This record gives sequence, C-alpha cells and structure tokens, in this order.
Amino acid sequence: KAGVTQTPRYLIKTRGQQVTLSCSPISGHRSVSWYQQTPGQGLQFLFEYFSETQRNKGNFPGRFSGRQFSNSRSEMNVSTLELGDSALYLCASSLEDFESTQYFGPGTRLTVL
Amino acid sequence: GENVEQHPSTLSVQEGDSAVIKCTYSDSASNYFPWYKQELGKRPQLIIDIRSNVGEKKDQRIAVTLNKTAKHFSLHITETQPEDSAVYFCAASIRGKTSYDKVIFGPGTSLSVIP
Repeated sequence: KAGVTQTPRYLIKTRGQQVTLSCSPISGHRSVSWYQQTPGQGLQFLFEYFSETQRNKGNFPGRFSGRQFSNSRSEMNVSTLELGDSALYLCASSLEDFESTQYFGPGTRLTVL
Repeated sequence: GENVEQHPSTLSVQEGDSAVIKCTYSDSASNYFPWYKQELGKRPQLIIDIRSNVGEKKDQRIAVTLNKTAKHFSLHITETQPEDSAVYFCAASIRGKTSYDKVIFGPGTSLSVIP
C-alpha cells in the first residue's frame, strides 16, 4: 500500500496570506489527523476528521480549519498567516481513530515571512 | 491546563546499555499512551503503546510501563543500538464516546546511542 502523502512539501508565504495543505491517507483509512510541529512547542494536535466530519479539535484559533472529502483525502487551511505559524505540519491516517496505529506523512514545511 | 512532562530532554548512552524515558501526565482520565520515534528529518513512527487497563507491555527490546496511581509511564529500551538514536515522544489521550477527546504530546527526548 502507498503511504500517507502530503503536498506541497515546502511552502513559503508572507504574513496575512492564507495557505491550503493537502493530505492523502493510506487507502482504507478513514481517520485523518493534523499536527503542528515546532522546535519550541513540539508536537501539537490540530484536529481530526472522520467520514468527512471534524470529530476532535485541539487548542488552535479559528484561523486553522480543515475538511475531509468522501475519498478521505483531507485539506488544512490557515488564514491570515502569522510568523508563529511557521512549522512542520504533519498529517496522520489510521483505520478508525487515534488508538488505531497512526501513520504519518512526510509533512509540509511552512515558512511565513 | 493539562500537560505531559517528559524527562530527560536529552539522553546519551553507550551501545548495549539500557535507556529509560519517563513521562508524567496531569489528567487522570487519560487512558491511552503511545510512544513515537522520530529520526532526524523523518516522520514520527509509533513504536509501542499501552492502554490504562494494562500495567506493562513489551515488544522485543522495547517495553512500556504504566503507573496510573502516580500518573506516569515509561519507555525502556534494552541493548541499545546506534539506530535507536532519535527523538522519542510520549503522548496521552482521553477516549470519549466515539473517539479520543484529547491528545497531548510530551516535549520529546533526544536519545543518542554512542557506538
């Protein structure tokens, strides 16, 4: 089976812009979770989607949003970018939820200038 | 607020020695505790996990122990090898009715195994 893929791998944006990141899960996986990884804050949970519905959400402002399509592919959107949004954004897919083995994608490195 | 502490932040061991990483969580409702390994420049990988109804779990050279009373869980790696060098993250989650309600990660431990 193909692994989790994320596009784009690298992205440079300026403050105030918006960005959309994409995640394609492993075939058959219905849960997709998003995480932000920074040197200062470590790994933080953003949200999880299951069957096109946001099932759980971490403590991030409303500028961070996402959606999931019927084929389980997921997108994450960040509006009005801030310098502090510079991070590696990881998505992970699993069969059912966090307690099913999560398989991470390679991440999207976002730099906000 | 809820948090997960992880110690030590860095750990160096000689090849063949054991390594122990400890995490402490604050929310007593936490019931699932995975450990992830992230090699430099690579994606995190689940290496072992434990649920709150189990006290210990072992998989070859890796073991995890859970003490619910003290709210801490530990990763034990025996007979360490250079390829064990990586950053290790612990996490604690709370399972709600349909899925997990909360996921919190520890800050990570950078393990170096010296040949």
